[in-house]
Amino acid sequence: SQTIHQWPATLVQPVGSPLSLECTVEGTSNPNLYWYRQAAGRGLQLLFYSVGIGQISSEVPQNLSASRPQDRQFILSSKKLLLSDSGFYLCACTDRTVPSDTQYFGPGTRLTVL
Amino acid sequence: SQQGEEDPQALSIQEGENATMNCSYKTSINNLQWYRQNSGRGLVHLILIRSNEREKHSGRLRVTLDTSKKSSSLLITASRAADTASYFCATGQGAQKLVFGQGTRLTINP
Repeated sequence: SQTIHQWPATLVQPVGSPLSLECTVEGTSNPNLYWYRQAAGRGLQLLFYSVGIGQISSEVPQNLSASRPQDRQFILSSKKLLLSDSGFYLCACTDRTVPSDTQYFGPGTRLTVL
Repeated sequence: SQQGEEDPQALSIQEGENATMNCSYKTSINNLQWYRQNSGRGLVHLILIRSNEREKHSGRLRVTLDTSKKSSSLLITASRAADTASYFCATGQGAQKLVFGQGTRLTINP
């Protein structure tokens, strides 16, 4: 079964600083990968998804970017953080051995921008 | 846009009672899924129901889907304190993406 790792678990960054969040997947090959952001007490907002290495689709225009340098690695970045970037960031993947849209989630990174 | 909308936003019941949460959506779907999120954690997949199915069971969970009304319900029977969490519906519309609702916060009181 698949396992998703995210780090760091918690991050406090000043406004204007850069960001790099990493997600790695074990136990499956060629997964679709997703980055979501969740505001406190709210639902999930899809930020980016990737169906393969180097293939990134952006759902919401913003100052964030994503990259997929390896099959099971997904990175979320920003050159300059905004206060509004604070939130809980979740990485998710699909498993191509499971014939559905079921997504499997990592433990998340809580980002606070001060 | 967030298509799935859960109702109620918050639900508090006594342990042992049944909990029912509803989800409405707006467009055609391939499937509808329910996820659980414990505070500060990632989401865990609970159950998936396809558009051609009307009801599905998994342990103490029962999900119904009414495509004519574009709605689904999640029933948790004989609730336990460990069921305290937020519950989200998500609609699969093809294109390998899910659209999540805002969630229902369920509290089970001992």
